[in-house]
Amino acid sequence: ETGVTQSPTHLIKTRGQQVTLRCSSQSGHNTVSWYQQALGQGPQFIFQYYREEENGRGNFPPRFSGLQFPNYSSELNVNALELDDSALYLCASSPGTGFYNEQFFGPGTRLTVL
Amino acid sequence: GEDVEQSLFLSVREGDSSVINCTYTDSSSTYLYWYKQEPGAGLQLLTYIFSNMDMKQDQRLTVLLNKKDKHLSLRIADTQTGDSAIYFCAERGRGRRALTFGSGTRLQVQP
Repeated sequence: ETGVTQSPTHLIKTRGQQVTLRCSSQSGHNTVSWYQQALGQGPQFIFQYYREEENGRGNFPPRFSGLQFPNYSSELNVNALELDDSALYLCASSPGTGFYNEQFFGPGTRLTVL
Repeated sequence: GEDVEQSLFLSVREGDSSVINCTYTDSSSTYLYWYKQEPGAGLQLLTYIFSNMDMKQDQRLTVLLNKKDKHLSLRIADTQTGDSAIYFCAERGRGRRALTFGSGTRLQVQP
């Protein structure tokens, strides 16, 4: 069974650019959640996708957007990058949206905005 | 809103027990979790406890939950150098999509 994978591992962008991060969910999982982890902080919830629809969103501006595909893989897009967007971006997949469903985390994508 | 607090740093000697503490504010928290993060890596779920439990033991790990004080602790018995990492407490309430994490406790194990 393949776990959650994310690509790329590292990324460097400049302010104002746009970035797309990718996540492949664990086999059998239909729910993907994205988190932002700034240096020295705990992860903060960005949004969740369930069966290709956004299913909940944290306190992030609209320039953070996402997609989920029919195979349940997902993308996180960030437009108009700001310096504060520099962080580790984690995706987590789960077999459903219920609070009892464990979320399995990928290794993350480290984004640096210069 | 939900808030989770943890102390920043803990240093222990190899072979000693480590106790990492966490407090949370949301009384509707249903599941409480402990995650481990090693340098440059994602989050690894260590253990979790359901809110109607007081204690859960899993090999070297013991989780204690005081629901009245909204206090959660993780005890690691016989701490090893491989246990050096950042430990995150997280909670999730019924009806909520997201996990709410603390800022993490860095555990340093000295040989």
